[in-house]
Amino acid sequence: EPEVTQTPSHQVTQMGQEVILRCVPISNHLYFYWYRQILGQKVEFLVSFYNNEISEKSEIFDDQFSVERPDGSNFTLKIRSTKLEDSAMYFCASSIQPGPQAGNTEAFFGQGTRLTVV
Amino acid sequence: AQSVTQPDIHITVSEGASLELRCNYSYGATPYLFWYVQSPGQGLQLLLKYFSGDTLVQGIKGFEAEFKRSQSSFNLRKPSVHWSDAAEYFCAVVTLGGKLIFGQGTELSVKP
Repeated sequence: EPEVTQTPSHQVTQMGQEVILRCVPISNHLYFYWYRQILGQKVEFLVSFYNNEISEKSEIFDDQFSVERPDGSNFTLKIRSTKLEDSAMYFCASSIQPGPQAGNTEAFFGQGTRLTVV
Repeated sequence: AQSVTQPDIHITVSEGASLELRCNYSYGATPYLFWYVQSPGQGLQLLLKYFSGDTLVQGIKGFEAEFKRSQSSFNLRKPSVHWSDAAEYFCAVVTLGGKLIFGQGTELSVKP
């Protein structure tokens, strides 16, 4: 069964360092998403991406964050200068269509990358 | 504002007992609703979804959920809980752009 894969599963970084979280979405999917979950809190939307550009972003997704699809298969989330409060589980997701108006579809999630900023 | 509320942060049930996890939503248009499950250290797995049609939807692992528009609810049920059902459960609504809005989650513990 096709799945979304994320690497690494766990990353520890020093405050102020740049990190890149990697995701390989399901191959025929066109819409890509990043979410994060701070420990003990709800899963929060960060950004959606389609056709090589950001479709929507949340207020969390500030200038420290960026996304790209560098090679047609990977989908990355970069945090330029990590802060302690960036420590969280980051989930990548992908879908064939963006939402219900386009038909019966859903987003598939990866296993997540746990980012720890020290 | 669009939101999802799961009133119960933590629920404990005995193995074999029935389960109901509550979910209420606030959404201006017809909601499209999901339940996801997250086992410890794992990603989010889709249990079931409601898009249209029959308001009682069946999902994987013996779960079902009922959409009640009049109550703005989409409660998850299972007639007999197994120890392996212990996990965190998230209710979510999807926007037209594909963004999922999640509830706070309900952690389920199962007593032997």
